[in-house]
Amino acid sequence: QLQLQESGPGLLKPSETLSLTCAVSGDSVSSRTYYWGWLRQPPGKGLEWIGSIYSGVTTYYNPSLKSRVTISADTSKNQFSLKLTSVTAADTAVYYCTRDKGTGGTNDHWGQGTLVTVSS
Amino acid sequence: QSALTQPASVSGSPGQSITISCTGTSSDVGAYNYVCWYQQHPGKAPKLVIYDVSNRPSGISTRFSGSKSGNTASLTISGLQAEDEADYYCSSHTRIPTPHVLFGGGTKLTVL
Repeated sequence: QLQLQESGPGLLKPSETLSLTCAVSGDSVSSRTYYWGWLRQPPGKGLEWIGSIYSGVTTYYNPSLKSRVTISADTSKNQFSLKLTSVTAADTAVYYCTRDKGTGGTNDHWGQGTLVTVSS
Repeated sequence: QSALTQPASVSGSPGQSITISCTGTSSDVGAYNYVCWYQQHPGKAPKLVIYDVSNRPSGISTRFSGSKSGNTASLTISGLQAEDEADYYCSSHTRIPTPHVLFGGGTKLTVL
């Protein structure tokens, strides 16, 4: 049974770097079948796709966030990570890691999500 | 402002059918059959209910169906049940300017 679990700091100050990790069990982040993604949802607002990684190497990013985002994978630990630099209050959100079937963003499994708050 | 346009809210009585629209452009919804619909209950992670415009994942009720015409995709829920009350989000693949995924702003479904 596939499980995804996000982890990382829940509180950041403006200008700091957000770093989250998603631990995967029941599948492999180096799989050539699936992509592994990050999405976020500000409190009370809608979903935003951040990006995804395929086969542990190839990355795709939301153009609006691309300059600040890096997604990477550690295949030895079967996990993938998100880094978002220069955070502001607008980056406060619940961050979800997902498995993407690869057909244009079909996120068929989701982690429970982790709230990251940016505040001075 | 979201890239895809959804109505903010829809409502229906138990047993009725409702349809939620998702309007994009010829560069996203209209260009690819990669439209998804997600159901989200309060405090929970979203759940995929439709992918590739009209396909249902395993375990999703046949009461959920999807379709597309031009730049507008639609989610129809028939035989409304109280448990269907949730937020619904559509998404679409696009390659402009690079491959990525767009979301609608979400629709709150109220079962009266």
